[in-house]
Amino acid sequence: DVKVTQSSRYLVKRTGEKVFLECVQDMDHENMFWYRQDPGLGLRLIYFSYDVKMKEKGDIPEGYSVSREKKERFSLILESASTNQTSMYLCASSFGQGSYEQYFGPGTRLTVT
Amino acid sequence: DQQVKQNSPSLSVQEGRISILNCDYTNSMFDYFLWYKKYPAEGPTFLISISSIKDKNEDGRFTVFLNKSAKHLSLHIVPSQPGDSAVYFCAASFLNRDDKIIFGKGTRLHILP
Repeated sequence: DVKVTQSSRYLVKRTGEKVFLECVQDMDHENMFWYRQDPGLGLRLIYFSYDVKMKEKGDIPEGYSVSREKKERFSLILESASTNQTSMYLCASSFGQGSYEQYFGPGTRLTVT
Repeated sequence: DQQVKQNSPSLSVQEGRISILNCDYTNSMFDYFLWYKKYPAEGPTFLISISSIKDKNEDGRFTVFLNKSAKHLSLHIVPSQPGDSAVYFCAASFLNRDDKIIFGKGTRLHILP
């Protein structure tokens, strides 16, 4: 079974703090993704990576950066957290080469106060 | 500009009856369509997919129908069970290496006893 784990289920941070969200997958997947889910807005892609050290912007990259130093790990960084970044953050991975099916982690509920 | 649209935010269906979730899309170049299911406090899980060259795919109680001329797909659940209560996301993908998926906003399905 594919396993995608995220470092925290719940996180509370203050405005202006630097926040790291970690994601690890154990299936040697090529591609990894970060989404945020908000009520009424569905899943919106923040960043994705199709190889180590490669990254591509998604639909809403502003205020975020990512890092992929190892194949199994994809980190989302909020350089200076703001209250409008309070959300559910979901990491996903996929095999690559047109496999299209993505496997999701359990999510991190981030609250910025 | 939404490429994948789920126009019903919620749907209530009696247990044992058929649930029909609808989805419209705007880009005729999509190669695959997918449905994901999400329970609260969990990540989405893949449910069923259909290639753009087919018009029906069935997996147990779940059937997806694709009408390319109308740019419309639907997910049928028969019979509906209490465990089917969840948010269902319609999604679409192009067949390329990055496996990017475009999600709709989701429909919350309530199965009534």
